[in-house]
Amino acid sequence: GIQVEQSPPDLILQEGANSTLRCNFSDSVNNLQWFHQNPWGQLINLFYIPSGTKQNGRLSATTVATERYSLLYISSSQTTDSGVYFCAVGQDNTDKLIFGTGTRLQVFP
Amino acid sequence: NAGVTQTPKFQVLKTGQSMTLQCAQDMNHNSMYWYRQDPGMGLRLIYYSASEGTTDKGEVPNGYNVSRLNKREFSLRLESAAPSQTSVYFCASRGLASYEQYFGPGTRLTVT
Repeated sequence: GIQVEQSPPDLILQEGANSTLRCNFSDSVNNLQWFHQNPWGQLINLFYIPSGTKQNGRLSATTVATERYSLLYISSSQTTDSGVYFCAVGQDNTDKLIFGTGTRLQVFP
Repeated sequence: NAGVTQTPKFQVLKTGQSMTLQCAQDMNHNSMYWYRQDPGMGLRLIYYSASEGTTDKGEVPNGYNVSRLNKREFSLRLESAAPSQTSVYFCASRGLASYEQYFGPGTRLTVT
């Protein structure tokens, strides 16, 4: 089956710094989503981005489907950005999402 | 709108006991999902329901059954719980217009 790898596994930042999280996948996809899991466990959908670029405030994401990777950019990080960021992919127009193991981000004041 | 709700929030079971995890959504979504999350890992799909009356297996369906009771509700049943089923269980839903999935707060289940 398709493999999803995220890097780095852990990231520690000071407030105000920028960061880039990467998601590599081993086969073509037609569904790619980024999620944030906050320290209390709640999962929030950040982007649905099977290709192209999207921006939402300080967050933006780019997926290069032909090269099988996606990037999540966080600018001017805040302590509330802490948590785990997951990339999840799907194929063949099915509802089955395969999740990566996540990037744990800690932002300190 | 409450979004996706799950009950209970926490549960402790003994090996061999059964229980049902409940999930409901008030967003008029067609598709609903059950995932499990083990420590240090991403989520894995257990079962999903693309529409009322249909269910399909995901990555890790063994030991679980599901029921799509109506459009709003999708339950997950453990008939004979095992310690390997200790996990956090998440329910999610999505509408027809988008692939974006919306998650409930999770149920933390411990099987001793």
